[in-house]
Amino acid sequence: KNEVEQSPQNLTAQEGEFITINCSYSVGISALHWLQQHPGGGIVSLFMLSSGKKKHGRLIATINIQEKHSSLHITASHPRDSAVYICAVSRNTGNQFYFGTGTSLTVIP
Amino acid sequence: NAGVTQTPKFQVLKTGQSMTLQCAQDMNHEYMSWYRQDPGMGLRLIHYSVGAGITDQGEVPNGYNVSRSTTEDFPLRLLSAAPSQTSVYFCASSYSLAGGYNEQFFGPGTRLTVL
Repeated sequence: KNEVEQSPQNLTAQEGEFITINCSYSVGISALHWLQQHPGGGIVSLFMLSSGKKKHGRLIATINIQEKHSSLHITASHPRDSAVYICAVSRNTGNQFYFGTGTSLTVIP
Repeated sequence: NAGVTQTPKFQVLKTGQSMTLQCAQDMNHEYMSWYRQDPGMGLRLIHYSVGAGITDQGEVPNGYNVSRSTTEDFPLRLLSAAPSQTSVYFCASSYSLAGGYNEQFFGPGTRLTVL
């Protein structure tokens, strides 16, 4: 069983398109994290949120605690946004994290 | 700050060999963890530590050993490498805050191939 489910698994977009990646989780959480991993690269944290919405540049993350759902939006997508986006949750009990399998995004010029 | 560092970046082993993957952080984080990343699967927790001298098993601990003698270092030992341990390994660290509201910082990863 997966505590964290992401959709879609793969996504191809034209440069400039608005992109949405979805994440659903089934456990009680203290925070939800969006991470970015470039091909062959390390993993960096984009957002950590426990309620509402956060914005950083062209990236927006939202969370609905009641529905156990989060979305990551990318406005005016660019080829440099091509990466794997990973949703993860941290639970109330301790420091363990649960990860989704990732969404592979390719933005075509 | 260097953040989280891992060595080596790449490693090829033969079945049965042992080795240690190194991980260090300079942010004075209490919590450190090791993950493996395999195609089509999310990151899976191998072992973690909530402070110097304290370690515990994660989801996939078999074949791996850890120790935490200092706050900074958290090495991962492969006791007798097997092809099933071919993977990319990530070390991560975070502050230990009440309620689990922690941002994790990841190392650059070690790509391990076991022949």
